[in-house]
Amino acid sequence: GNSVTQMEGPVTLSEEAFLTINCTYTATGYPSLFWYVQYPGEGLQLLLKATKADDKGSNKGFEATYRKETTSFHLEKGSVQVSDSAVYFCALRKASSARQLTFGSGTQLTVLP
Amino acid sequence: DARVTQTPRHKVTEMGQEVTMRCQPILGHNTVFWYRQTMMQGLELLAYFRNRAPLDDSGMPKDRFSAEMPDATLATLKIQPSEPRDSAVYFCASGLEGEKLFFGSGTQLSVL
Repeated sequence: GNSVTQMEGPVTLSEEAFLTINCTYTATGYPSLFWYVQYPGEGLQLLLKATKADDKGSNKGFEATYRKETTSFHLEKGSVQVSDSAVYFCALRKASSARQLTFGSGTQLTVLP
Repeated sequence: DARVTQTPRHKVTEMGQEVTMRCQPILGHNTVFWYRQTMMQGLELLAYFRNRAPLDDSGMPKDRFSAEMPDATLATLKIQPSEPRDSAVYFCASGLEGEKLFFGSGTQLSVL
């Protein structure tokens, strides 16, 4: 079946540090890959996505590249801000199932001033 | 901005009581999802509707949980009877099929 594995948190960084949150997936076929972000007390919001191999999703300074050879979709940001503190979820959706998202367990990020 | 509205935001109840959570999806969206979030299990899909028809509720304990869409503007998730292990945050999400999901702010449920 489909699954998503994220690096375990929590992750604590100083402002302006470089961020990487690892995500690997298991799926048949060619899934679409997503990063969602959950700010405190809120629901999840789509951060970025990639729908095919070698695509790079980007938004708000965050980037992730769809790597089929390593089945990975690692999230990166060159310089984090305090406002980036949130929980980040990696997710996939199979092409044959334009419905259901399979989420990773989430990674808590705290950025200190 | 259009958003998914969930009520109540918080619910504290005693074991055995009925709990009803409500969701107003974004107007025009034809898919609605219910997810449960816990520390141990993360995000679990409970139910999925398309055009108000339930298509997948395999993640939902059938003996106590029920999900319905009485009309296009309302989705409900009921637990009867509730148990302490049901304590979690319940999220509703809506979207156009194949497009990104918009999540509500969730209902924090505590069953004592």
